[in-house]
Amino acid sequence: EDQVTQSPEALRLQEGESSSLNCSYTVSGLRGLFWYRQDPGKGPEFLFTLYSAGEEKEKERLKATLTKKESFLHITAPKPEDSATYLCAVEGSNFGNEKLTFGTGTRLTIIP
Amino acid sequence: ETGVTQSPTHLIKTRGQQVTLRCSSQSGHNTVSWYQQALGQGPQFIFQYYREEENGRGNFPPRFSGLQFPNYSSELNVNALELDDSALYLCASSLDRVTYEQYFGPGTRLTVT
Repeated sequence: EDQVTQSPEALRLQEGESSSLNCSYTVSGLRGLFWYRQDPGKGPEFLFTLYSAGEEKEKERLKATLTKKESFLHITAPKPEDSATYLCAVEGSNFGNEKLTFGTGTRLTIIP
Repeated sequence: ETGVTQSPTHLIKTRGQQVTLRCSSQSGHNTVSWYQQALGQGPQFIFQYYREEENGRGNFPPRFSGLQFPNYSSELNVNALELDDSALYLCASSLDRVTYEQYFGPGTRLTVT
């Protein structure tokens, strides 16, 4: 069964203080690893898809990287508006039962 | 703005009752997935529909059922509600079944008393 573990559970940073969020995964045949951002009481907002080890994607202050066992979401010089829960999910190669398996998320707070 | 809408926004039901939640996918997206998200947890996969047929199911009992319609709308039905069914229910649409980004709606907050 596919598994996703995210760490830390919560992270408080000062504005401008860079850091990284970790997503470790176990999956039978990775089709894709996805990062989402979720604000309280709202649906997840798509950020990135990574398909193979070594791949990197960037968007504003966020950069996602992928290895064979984990993914990192690097946040550079964060601002208070980056405060949210960041979710990682994987899709495995179970044909006919395609689904996303999510981690429990990292709750990020950026202090002005 | 993803273009995925859900109704109602909030709902309060009594244990044992039945509920229907609705989702309208982005135009052209022929796949819809439903998730249950308990407070402080990540979304858990309930099932997926592709071109109006169930394409996969998570570890949820048969009292969770769904329908997908040709007009990109779908429903999640839950019978015999239990207290543990209280959660945020999310639908997500995607272009196809495999490895396409899923775009989520805002969710329906269901409270069972």
